[in-house]
Amino acid sequence: GDSVTQMEGPVTLSEEAFLTINCTYTATGYPSLFWYVQYPGEGLQLLLKATKADDKGSNKGFEATYRKETTSFHLEKGSVQVSDSAVYFCAPRDSSASKIIFGSGTRLSIRP
Amino acid sequence: DTGVSQDPRHKITKRGQNVTFRCDPISEHNRLYWYRQTLGQGPEFLTYFQNEAQLEKSRLLSDRFSAERPKGSFSTLEIQRTEQGDSAMYLCASRGRGNETQYFGPGTRLLVL
Repeated sequence: GDSVTQMEGPVTLSEEAFLTINCTYTATGYPSLFWYVQYPGEGLQLLLKATKADDKGSNKGFEATYRKETTSFHLEKGSVQVSDSAVYFCAPRDSSASKIIFGSGTRLSIRP
Repeated sequence: DTGVSQDPRHKITKRGQNVTFRCDPISEHNRLYWYRQTLGQGPEFLTYFQNEAQLEKSRLLSDRFSAERPKGSFSTLEIQRTEQGDSAMYLCASRGRGNETQYFGPGTRLLVL
């Protein structure tokens, strides 16, 4: 079945640093790809998505590009803020069904 | 607030008791999902409804678990004879026609003593 591997945390960065969280997936077809974020004490929220190869999803300064050739969907942000501290989940939607396959999550902490 | 609500938000129960959780999806969404999230892990898929039909169940969903969506709107997830290993956050999500995005509720945190 489909699966996802994402960078293990925790990741600690200083404010205004550049962020990359790596994510690779295995799939038999062409899944839609998502990044979800879970802020402390809150529920899962969609951060961004891409539905086909070479699409770039973006939101709140975060970006990720659907790379079919490398089966990757790495999350990047040029300058992180303290408010970005959260757990980030890479999540392909199973190409043969409707469910989302979540990675184990990457906890990000930003120091002022 | 995504528009998906879950009740209760917290439940503490003793091993062997039955518990039932409710999920109210966004009103026009025809697809509804249940996931389970344990500490430090990502959510794991449990089951999926399209309207009132339960179309897929995970192998994680043992015989003690049952889910319903009788009128294609709200859904309930029941766990019978709870075990300590059932302690987790139970998440509900909904998705509308023609939309790739699943919107998650705040979850019900279950603690089995």
